[in-house]
Amino acid sequence: GAGVSQTPSNKVTEKGKYVELRCDPISGHTALYWYRQSLGQGPEFLIYFQGTGAADDSGLPNDRFFAVRPEGSVSTLKIQRTERGDSAVYLCASSLTRQEGAGELFFGEGSRLTVL
Amino acid sequence: DAKTTQPPSMDCAEGRAANLPCNHSTISGNEYVYWYRQIHSQGPQYIIHGLKNNETNEMASLIITEDRKSSTLILPHATLRDTAVYYCIGKRRGSGYALNFGKGTSLLVTP
Repeated sequence: GAGVSQTPSNKVTEKGKYVELRCDPISGHTALYWYRQSLGQGPEFLIYFQGTGAADDSGLPNDRFFAVRPEGSVSTLKIQRTERGDSAVYLCASSLTRQEGAGELFFGEGSRLTVL
Repeated sequence: DAKTTQPPSMDCAEGRAANLPCNHSTISGNEYVYWYRQIHSQGPQYIIHGLKNNETNEMASLIITEDRKSSTLILPHATLRDTAVYYCIGKRRGSGYALNFGKGTSLLVTP
C-alpha cells in the first residue's frame, strides 16, 4: 500500500492478557517510530528503529512493552500482562531520514487498544 | 528541545485565513519548528517546518518572527476539512528522535 498500515485497527482484551500490534511502514523507509496517544492528549514517543535495531527505546513505559523489527521492515509492538492504563491508540510512523529529529514522519491511522 | 505554547482552541470561518500562533521563547539557534495536524480518528499529518526563514508549501505558510521566539501557521483559505488539532513542535537536531507533540490547538472551521 501507499501509506503506513497498522493492524488491528481495534483490539479489545482483558487485563493480564498479551497483545501484539503490527506496523507495515512505507516501502523503503528505514526509520520507524511507535507513539502512544491517550484520550485528549498528544502522541507520546515510545521507540525508534533505524533498520532492524532499536536506536532509542527511552519512551517505553516499563518492561512489559517490547518492540521488534527483525527484517528492517514490519514492526511488532508487544505488550505483556496488559493493564487498564495501557488503553490508548498506538500510532506507528515511518520516514526516509535517519537524522535525529529531522524530516517528515508519515503516520498510520493507529491501533486502538482497550483493556477491560 | 524548546517548550512550545499554543492556545487550546480556535475558530475560523470557512474560506477565511486561519492563523495559528505558537510561542517558543526558549528556542535555540539550531532548533527547528515543526507543524503537524491530526484530523479526528486519524494519525498526525506533517504540514511544514522551518528554522528561521518563512516557509510556504501547498498546505500552509509558516511565519517565524525575527527573534524566533514565536511563529504562526497560516492556512490561507480554511475549509471544513481543515478542522483538526494542530501541533507546534520544537526540535533540535541531535537531541534524539522523539517529537514532543504537547496538546496542540483544536481548530474548528465553521460554515
